[in-house]
Amino acid sequence: QAVVTQEPSLTVSPGGTVTLTCGSSTGAVISGHYPYWFQQKPGQAPRTLIYDTNNKHSWTPARFSGSLLGGKAALTLSGAQPEDEAEYYCLLSYSGARVFGGGTKLTVL
Amino acid sequence: EVQLVESGGGLVQPGGSLRLSCSASGFTFSSYAMNWVRQAPEKGLEYVSVISSNGGSTYYADSVKGRFTISRDNSKNTLYLQMSSLRAEDTAVFYCVKSFGGVVYNGLDVWGQGTTVTVSS
Repeated sequence: QAVVTQEPSLTVSPGGTVTLTCGSSTGAVISGHYPYWFQQKPGQAPRTLIYDTNNKHSWTPARFSGSLLGGKAALTLSGAQPEDEAEYYCLLSYSGARVFGGGTKLTVL
Repeated sequence: EVQLVESGGGLVQPGGSLRLSCSASGFTFSSYAMNWVRQAPEKGLEYVSVISSNGGSTYYADSVKGRFTISRDNSKNTLYLQMSSLRAEDTAVFYCVKSFGGVVYNGLDVWGQGTTVTVSS
Protein backbone atom coordinates (compact mmCIF):
# COMPACT_ATOMS: atom_id res chain seq x y z
CA GLN A 1 0.00 0.00 0.00
CA ALA A 2 1.18 3.50 -0.79
CA VAL A 3 2.38 5.76 1.99
CA VAL A 4 1.21 9.37 2.07
CA THR A 5 3.51 11.81 3.83
CA GLN A 6 2.83 15.16 5.47
CA GLU A 7 4.90 17.48 7.63
CA PRO A 8 4.28 16.45 11.26
CA SER A 9 4.03 20.04 12.42
CA LEU A 10 4.21 23.59 11.14
CA THR A 11 3.93 26.99 12.75
CA VAL A 12 2.61 30.17 11.18
CA SER A 13 2.28 33.67 12.55
CA PRO A 14 -1.14 35.31 12.64
CA GLY A 15 -1.72 36.91 9.26
CA GLY A 16 1.07 34.88 7.72
CA THR A 17 1.15 32.35 4.92
CA VAL A 18 1.99 28.67 5.19
CA THR A 19 1.95 25.75 2.77
CA LEU A 20 1.26 22.20 3.87
CA THR A 21 2.27 19.42 1.51
CA CYS A 22 1.16 15.88 0.79
CA GLY A 23 3.50 13.44 -0.92
CA SER A 24 3.14 9.93 -2.22
CA SER A 25 5.56 7.01 -1.95
CA THR A 26 4.61 6.01 -5.49
CA GLY A 27 5.95 9.19 -7.06
CA ALA A 28 4.53 12.56 -8.01
CA VAL A 29 1.05 13.40 -6.85
CA ILE A 30 -1.16 14.13 -9.83
CA SER A 31 -4.72 15.27 -10.28
CA GLY A 32 -5.69 11.64 -10.78
CA HIS A 33 -4.97 11.05 -7.11
CA TYR A 34 -7.87 13.42 -6.41
CA PRO A 35 -6.19 15.07 -3.41
CA TYR A 36 -8.43 16.00 -0.52
CA TRP A 37 -7.69 18.12 2.52
CA PHE A 38 -9.47 17.89 5.87
CA GLN A 39 -9.33 20.04 8.98
CA GLN A 40 -9.78 18.59 12.45
CA LYS A 41 -9.87 20.65 15.61
CA PRO A 42 -9.40 19.05 19.04
CA GLY A 43 -12.45 17.10 20.15
CA GLN A 44 -14.22 17.59 16.84
CA ALA A 45 -14.90 15.50 13.78
CA PRO A 46 -12.90 16.28 10.66
CA ARG A 47 -14.42 18.45 7.99
CA THR A 48 -13.68 18.56 4.29
CA LEU A 49 -11.85 21.71 3.18
CA ILE A 50 -10.59 20.95 -0.33
CA TYR A 51 -11.57 18.25 -2.79
CA ASP A 52 -10.17 17.13 -6.13
CA THR A 53 -6.97 19.16 -5.73
CA ASN A 54 -8.35 22.68 -5.58
CA ASN A 55 -12.12 22.77 -5.12
CA LYS A 56 -13.42 24.44 -1.99
CA HIS A 57 -16.37 23.28 0.04
CA SER A 58 -19.16 25.73 0.72
CA TRP A 59 -17.76 26.36 4.20
CA THR A 60 -14.12 26.62 3.27
CA PRO A 61 -12.73 30.08 4.04
CA ALA A 62 -11.30 31.89 1.03
CA ARG A 63 -7.88 32.02 2.68
CA PHE A 64 -7.42 28.28 2.05
CA SER A 65 -6.42 27.03 -1.39
CA GLY A 66 -5.31 23.73 -2.86
CA SER A 67 -2.85 23.01 -5.64
CA LEU A 68 -0.20 20.68 -7.00
CA LEU A 69 3.29 21.92 -6.22
CA GLY A 70 6.62 20.29 -6.90
CA GLY A 71 5.19 16.79 -7.26
CA LYS A 72 3.03 17.06 -4.18
CA ALA A 73 -0.44 18.21 -3.28
CA ALA A 74 -0.40 21.44 -1.37
CA LEU A 75 -2.71 23.33 0.95
CA THR A 76 -1.88 27.01 1.27
CA LEU A 77 -3.24 29.19 4.02
CA SER A 78 -2.88 32.89 3.32
CA GLY A 79 -3.62 35.24 6.21
CA ALA A 80 -3.69 32.70 9.03
CA GLN A 81 -6.21 33.22 11.81
CA PRO A 82 -6.06 31.85 15.36
CA GLU A 83 -9.04 29.62 14.57
CA ASP A 84 -7.02 27.88 11.85
CA GLU A 85 -4.94 26.12 14.49
CA ALA A 86 -5.82 22.47 13.90
CA GLU A 87 -4.67 19.14 12.49
CA TYR A 88 -4.81 18.92 8.72
CA TYR A 89 -5.02 15.63 6.85
CA CYS A 90 -4.66 14.93 3.16
CA LEU A 91 -6.15 11.95 1.35
CA LEU A 92 -5.04 10.43 -1.93
CA SER A 93 -6.83 7.89 -4.10
CA TYR A 94 -5.02 5.01 -5.78
CA SER A 95 -7.36 3.27 -8.23
CA GLY A 96 -10.03 2.92 -5.60
CA ALA A 97 -7.84 2.55 -2.55
CA ARG A 98 -7.74 5.65 -0.37
CA VAL A 99 -4.87 6.53 1.92
CA PHE A 100 -4.68 9.32 4.45
CA GLY A 101 -1.52 11.15 5.30
CA GLY A 102 -0.36 11.17 8.90
CA GLY A 103 -1.56 14.72 9.44
CA THR A 104 0.09 18.10 10.03
CA LYS A 105 -0.42 19.89 13.31
CA LEU A 106 -0.62 23.56 12.44
CA THR A 107 0.09 26.05 15.18
CA VAL A 108 -0.82 29.72 14.76
CA LEU A 109 1.57 31.61 16.99
CA GLU B 1 -28.93 20.48 6.47
CA VAL B 2 -27.08 17.20 6.10
CA GLN B 3 -26.96 15.28 9.36
CA LEU B 4 -25.21 11.99 10.06
CA VAL B 5 -25.66 10.39 13.47
CA GLU B 6 -23.61 7.33 14.32
CA SER B 7 -24.58 4.85 17.00
CA GLY B 8 -23.77 1.35 18.17
CA GLY B 9 -20.32 1.91 19.57
CA GLY B 10 -19.25 0.54 22.91
CA LEU B 11 -16.96 -1.83 24.75
CA VAL B 12 -16.48 -5.29 23.24
CA GLN B 13 -14.12 -8.12 24.03
CA PRO B 14 -11.43 -9.22 21.58
CA GLY B 15 -12.93 -11.61 19.08
CA GLY B 16 -16.37 -10.14 19.55
CA SER B 17 -18.76 -8.44 17.17
CA LEU B 18 -20.49 -5.09 16.96
CA ARG B 19 -22.74 -3.35 14.47
CA LEU B 20 -22.48 0.37 13.91
CA SER B 21 -25.31 2.39 12.43
CA CYS B 22 -25.40 5.81 10.81
CA SER B 23 -28.75 7.54 10.51
CA ALA B 24 -28.80 10.10 7.70
CA SER B 25 -31.08 13.07 7.09
CA GLY B 26 -31.19 16.28 5.12
CA PHE B 27 -30.35 14.75 1.73
CA THR B 28 -31.52 12.01 -0.62
CA PHE B 29 -29.66 9.16 1.05
CA SER B 30 -30.26 6.69 -1.78
CA SER B 31 -28.36 8.92 -4.23
CA TYR B 32 -25.04 9.00 -2.44
CA ALA B 33 -22.24 6.59 -1.66
CA MET B 34 -21.39 6.36 2.02
CA ASN B 35 -18.14 5.73 3.86
CA TRP B 36 -16.68 4.71 7.19
CA VAL B 37 -13.44 6.29 8.40
CA ARG B 38 -11.87 5.56 11.76
CA GLN B 39 -9.41 7.24 14.10
CA ALA B 40 -7.56 5.36 16.81
CA PRO B 41 -6.91 7.26 20.05
CA GLU B 42 -4.39 10.06 19.50
CA LYS B 43 -3.75 8.77 15.96
CA GLY B 44 -4.54 9.82 12.43
CA LEU B 45 -7.42 8.95 10.14
CA GLU B 46 -7.78 5.58 8.46
CA TYR B 47 -10.13 4.89 5.58
CA VAL B 48 -12.21 1.80 6.31
CA SER B 49 -14.92 1.17 3.75
CA VAL B 50 -17.29 2.62 1.16
CA ILE B 51 -20.56 1.48 -0.40
CA SER B 52 -22.18 2.81 -3.54
CA SER B 53 -25.58 4.46 -3.52
CA ASN B 54 -27.43 1.29 -4.53
CA GLY B 55 -25.26 -1.00 -2.42
CA GLY B 56 -23.91 -2.80 -5.46
CA SER B 57 -20.28 -1.85 -5.02
CA THR B 58 -18.14 -1.89 -1.92
CA TYR B 59 -14.50 -1.43 -0.96
CA TYR B 60 -12.62 -2.35 2.20
CA ALA B 61 -9.23 -1.45 3.56
CA ASP B 62 -6.92 -4.44 3.81
CA SER B 63 -6.88 -4.08 7.59
CA VAL B 64 -10.60 -4.92 7.86
CA LYS B 65 -11.23 -7.05 4.78
CA GLY B 66 -12.95 -10.29 5.68
CA ARG B 67 -13.91 -9.03 9.14
CA PHE B 68 -16.06 -5.97 8.45
CA THR B 69 -19.13 -5.71 6.22
CA ILE B 70 -20.63 -2.44 5.06
CA SER B 71 -24.29 -2.30 4.09
CA ARG B 72 -27.14 0.14 3.79
CA ASP B 73 -30.91 0.28 3.95
CA ASN B 74 -32.06 3.06 1.68
CA SER B 75 -35.65 2.69 2.91
CA LYS B 76 -34.44 3.59 6.40
CA ASN B 77 -31.77 6.12 5.39
CA THR B 78 -29.29 4.13 7.39
CA LEU B 79 -25.73 2.94 6.84
CA TYR B 80 -24.26 0.00 8.74
CA LEU B 81 -20.90 -1.46 9.55
CA GLN B 82 -20.94 -5.02 10.86
CA MET B 83 -17.66 -5.73 12.63
CA SER B 84 -16.53 -9.17 13.70
CA SER B 85 -13.36 -10.81 15.00
CA LEU B 86 -12.55 -7.51 16.63
CA ARG B 87 -9.01 -6.80 17.77
CA ALA B 88 -7.52 -4.31 20.18
CA GLU B 89 -6.19 -2.36 17.21
CA ASP B 90 -9.76 -1.77 16.01
CA THR B 91 -10.28 0.54 18.98
CA ALA B 92 -11.19 3.88 17.43
CA VAL B 93 -13.76 6.54 16.79
CA PHE B 94 -15.69 5.50 13.70
CA TYR B 95 -17.00 8.29 11.47
CA CYS B 96 -19.79 7.98 8.93
CA VAL B 97 -19.07 10.16 5.90
CA LYS B 98 -21.31 11.08 2.99
CA SER B 99 -19.75 11.06 -0.47
CA PHE B 100 -20.10 13.76 -3.09
CA GLY B 101 -21.77 11.35 -5.48
CA GLY B 102 -23.24 7.90 -5.86
CA VAL B 103 -20.29 5.76 -6.86
CA VAL B 104 -17.54 4.37 -4.68
CA TYR B 105 -14.82 6.57 -6.13
CA ASN B 106 -16.63 9.80 -5.26
CA GLY B 107 -14.86 11.63 -2.47
CA LEU B 108 -15.67 12.51 1.10
CA ASP B 109 -18.16 15.31 1.72
CA VAL B 110 -19.88 15.62 5.09
CA TRP B 111 -18.75 13.87 8.29
CA GLY B 112 -20.76 12.66 11.26
CA GLN B 113 -19.61 13.20 14.82
CA GLY B 114 -18.45 9.63 15.31
CA THR B 115 -19.08 6.70 17.63
CA THR B 116 -16.42 5.14 19.84
CA VAL B 117 -15.53 1.46 19.69
CA THR B 118 -13.30 0.02 22.40
CA VAL B 119 -12.00 -3.52 22.08
CA SER B 120 -10.67 -4.72 25.40
CA SER B 121 -10.99 -7.57 27.85
